[in-house]
Amino acid sequence: EPEVTQTPSHQVTQMGQEVILRCVPISNHLYFYWYRQILGQKVEFLVSFYNNEISEKSEIFDDQFSVERPDGSNFTLKIRSTKLEDSAMYFCASKYRANQPQHFGDGTRLSIL
Amino acid sequence: ELKVEQNPLFLSMQEGKNYTIYCNYSTTSDRLYWYRQDPGKSLESLFVLLSNGAVKQEGRLMASLDTKARLSTLHITAAVHDLSATYFCAVDGSGGSNYKLTFGKGTLLTVNP
Repeated sequence: EPEVTQTPSHQVTQMGQEVILRCVPISNHLYFYWYRQILGQKVEFLVSFYNNEISEKSEIFDDQFSVERPDGSNFTLKIRSTKLEDSAMYFCASKYRANQPQHFGDGTRLSIL
Repeated sequence: ELKVEQNPLFLSMQEGKNYTIYCNYSTTSDRLYWYRQDPGKSLESLFVLLSNGAVKQEGRLMASLDTKARLSTLHITAAVHDLSATYFCAVDGSGGSNYKLTFGKGTLLTVNP
C-alpha cells in the first residue's frame, strides 16, 4: 500500500540553526499538510498546500517557517532559525480527495538543543 | 475557531468490557475522522464519517456521527489488550481547498488483562 515517507526520523539541531524536514507524499495525492505534536499533546495544524501554493496556515506557521514542493514529489518544511519550543514531532500528511482521510507519515522527531 | 473536545482523556479498561469515547465539536462539519496512534508512532486512519447518522464498524470498534448534536462516538466492544493506544478524533471544518484537520486532545486507552 502506498505510504507517506518522511526523512529524517530524528533530527537534532542547535538552537538558531536552520532545519529542513522532508516528505514524499503518496504519488497521486493533491493536498499536502504539515502538522506538529509536542510530546504528550494534541496534533496541531501548521500549513496546507494545494495547487502549488499555501492554502492555509496557522498562527504557529510564522515567518520562520516555509514549505516547498520543488520537484513534484518532495514536500519540505523549513524552519529558518529554530527555537527550543520548536521541539516536537512533525507529521506530513497527504490526501487525494476531500472526502478521504489524510494519510500521515511516520513523523520526524525534531529536538532543539 | 473550531474546537474539538474528547472525553475521557484517559481510559483504563478491563479486557472484555465495553466503553465509549465521546468527541464534541463546536461548528458545523460533515467530515469527522478517527485516528489511532501507538506510542512514538504515526496516526493510523480508523474511520471516516461523512454524513449525519453515519456508522462504521471495524472489529471491536464502532464509530458514529450525529452532525446535529455535533457529536461522534467511538464504541469499544469487549476490549482486548491490542486496542491499547491513543485515539484521536479530528474534524474537517474548513471547507474550500484546505480541508485541514482540527484534532481533539486524544484519549489514552489502556486495556488491562
